[in-house]
Amino acid sequence: GAVVSQHPSRVICKSGTSVKIECRSLDFQATTMFWYRQFPKKSLMLMATSNEGSKATYEQGVEKDKFLINHASLTLSTLTVTSAHPEDSSFYICSARGVGRKLFFGSGTQLSVL
Amino acid sequence: GESVGLHLPTLSVQEGDNSIINCAYSNSASDYFIWYKQESGKGPQFIIDIRSNMDKRQGQRVTVLLNKTVKHLSLQIAATQPGDSAVYFCAVTTGANSKLTFGKGITLSVRP
Repeated sequence: GAVVSQHPSRVICKSGTSVKIECRSLDFQATTMFWYRQFPKKSLMLMATSNEGSKATYEQGVEKDKFLINHASLTLSTLTVTSAHPEDSSFYICSARGVGRKLFFGSGTQLSVL
Repeated sequence: GESVGLHLPTLSVQEGDNSIINCAYSNSASDYFIWYKQESGKGPQFIIDIRSNMDKRQGQRVTVLLNKTVKHLSLQIAATQPGDSAVYFCAVTTGANSKLTFGKGITLSVRP
């Protein structure tokens, strides 16, 4: 199946710093990627839809100035958590749409903000 | 809007038995359904999908059943193994470019 690579897998940062998470589709081109957030023992919550060459579409309640998304190429989308605070600590997961309508997910990034 | 639910938060089965995980959805226009498996600290892993023009699809040890009349989806795992222990999510979507809506997740535990 299609492979989506997400880095880093884990990051610990100080409050007020920014963190960038990368999501790459390794063997296919993805015009659309998705970013999710997941709290412990909870389901995935869609944060935003990342479209190659255009602005991301954010879900209601997600601060676009805090969660910056860039989809500069057909294989790379980045999520930058700006001025991170402890409440931003979470598991962030990206996904990309492969052939047909299947969504393939990255391995996730555990963000811990001290 | 779409809401997707799983009937039970946890399921415990004996190794070797069959497992059945159920999911209900609310939007009758939903036309594509996917089951994912998520292990602790990892991203969801695609298991099997089904389109609304089908009512059954089989994979390796897994079967997905779709009942559009009652808006119900199930995942059957044959001969459940310890490696099947994980959280399982159903996800539904409406239209080719629409986003997936995930259910709450059910934890499957396999007893040795």
